[in-house]
Amino acid sequence: SQTIHQWPATLVQPVGSPLSLECTVEGTSNPNLYWYRQAAGRGLQLLFYSVGIGQISSEVPQNLSASRPQDRQFILSSKKLLLSDSGFYLCAWSGPVLGRYEQYFGPGTRLTVT
Amino acid sequence: GENVEQHPSTLSVQEGDSAVIKCTYSDSASNYFPWYKQELGKRPQLIIDIRSNVGEKKDQRIAVTLNKTAKHFSLHITETQPEDSAVYFCAASKNSGGYQKVTFGTGTKLQVIP
Repeated sequence: SQTIHQWPATLVQPVGSPLSLECTVEGTSNPNLYWYRQAAGRGLQLLFYSVGIGQISSEVPQNLSASRPQDRQFILSSKKLLLSDSGFYLCAWSGPVLGRYEQYFGPGTRLTVT
Repeated sequence: GENVEQHPSTLSVQEGDSAVIKCTYSDSASNYFPWYKQELGKRPQLIIDIRSNVGEKKDQRIAVTLNKTAKHFSLHITETQPEDSAVYFCAASKNSGGYQKVTFGTGTKLQVIP
């Protein structure tokens, strides 16, 4: 069965510091991968998605970036964090099989920028 | 782009009563409609979904209905229990350049009162 991991689980970072969040998926090949952000008490905002290694698309312009160095690894980064970057960051995957639309979320990283 | 509206934003019901959450979408190309349950501090969990070629789907105490003409879909929970208390998100999804683009509603906080 498929499993999705995220780390760290929680992170407190000062404004202006760099960020690196990691997501890995097990049990599937060539998944579609997604990064979402959820502000406190709010909905889910899609930040980035990837359909393959090195293929990244951004949904919202911001100071964040994403990379996919390996098939089942997705990384979210920032060179300088802003206060507004605080939130719950969720990685998700969906299968590459045509007609399989379900997205499954990782456990999330709770980021607080101070 | 797609716009998903979700109502109500909060809902309180007595244990054993039914709960209904309604969503509308704008893009007629959307073909997949998942519902997620998110408990406090946890990841969203897919609880039920429906495809555009189906009008209704049921899984034990939960059911989802879809009216493609009116672009409405709803989640019905019967015989509610305290463990049903959570935030529920609807979503509309369509194929977009090789991946399923998912647009989420703003969420409904359901409280089941024992």
